[in-house]
Amino acid sequence: QVQLQESGPGLVKPSETLSLTCTVSGGSITSYYWSWIRQPPGKGLEWIGYVYYSGSTNYNPSLKSRVTISVDTSKNQFSLKLSSVTAADTAVYYCARGPTRYYFDYWGQGTLVTVSS
Amino acid sequence: QSALTQPASVSGSPGQSITISCTGTSSDVGTYNVVSWYQQHPGKAPKLMIYEVSKRPSGVSNRFSGSKSGNTASLTISGLQAEDEADYYCCSYVGSSTSVVFGGGTKLTVL
Repeated sequence: QVQLQESGPGLVKPSETLSLTCTVSGGSITSYYWSWIRQPPGKGLEWIGYVYYSGSTNYNPSLKSRVTISVDTSKNQFSLKLSSVTAADTAVYYCARGPTRYYFDYWGQGTLVTVSS
Repeated sequence: QSALTQPASVSGSPGQSITISCTGTSSDVGTYNVVSWYQQHPGKAPKLMIYEVSKRPSGVSNRFSGSKSGNTASLTISGLQAEDEADYYCCSYVGSSTSVVFGGGTKLTVL
């Protein structure tokens, strides 16, 4: 059974860079798309972007200037970096697997990241 | 890119059927047969219920079905059960930006 687990700081200061890692277990990271999706408290889902196992990426146009998603196939991990964060970036961040670019069949449990000084 | 449009809430009694709509544009829902639907219970991660408009993943009840007409996709839940009470989100590919967009979410209440 494929499992995804997010890890990283739960508190980030304004203007700093948010960094999260997703570790994939129970399956290979190859041949799939790996996405980050976030959900501000009490609000809906927002797709951040994906990385293909080969390393190619695609990002939400509204976040593109601040986002970097990378993959480490040797560790079965992929990572998110979001720079210049503000309070508006406070959210539960999910990592998810996509058999295609268009849908997500396995999700991590989510990790709350709060942006505050 | 704009979020897909869903009703904020729908409700139904146990045993009834309900339908949740998801309206997009010709740049997303209307052109691409890749709409997916997710169920999210409070405090939990979303769960894939429907993909590619009408396909059900293994393990998802056949009470859940999906369809599409023009720029609007729909999720129908038949034989409503108490455990179906949750938030539901639709999702589609956006060709103009080669990205993915979610709907605003619909809260389903089972009366």
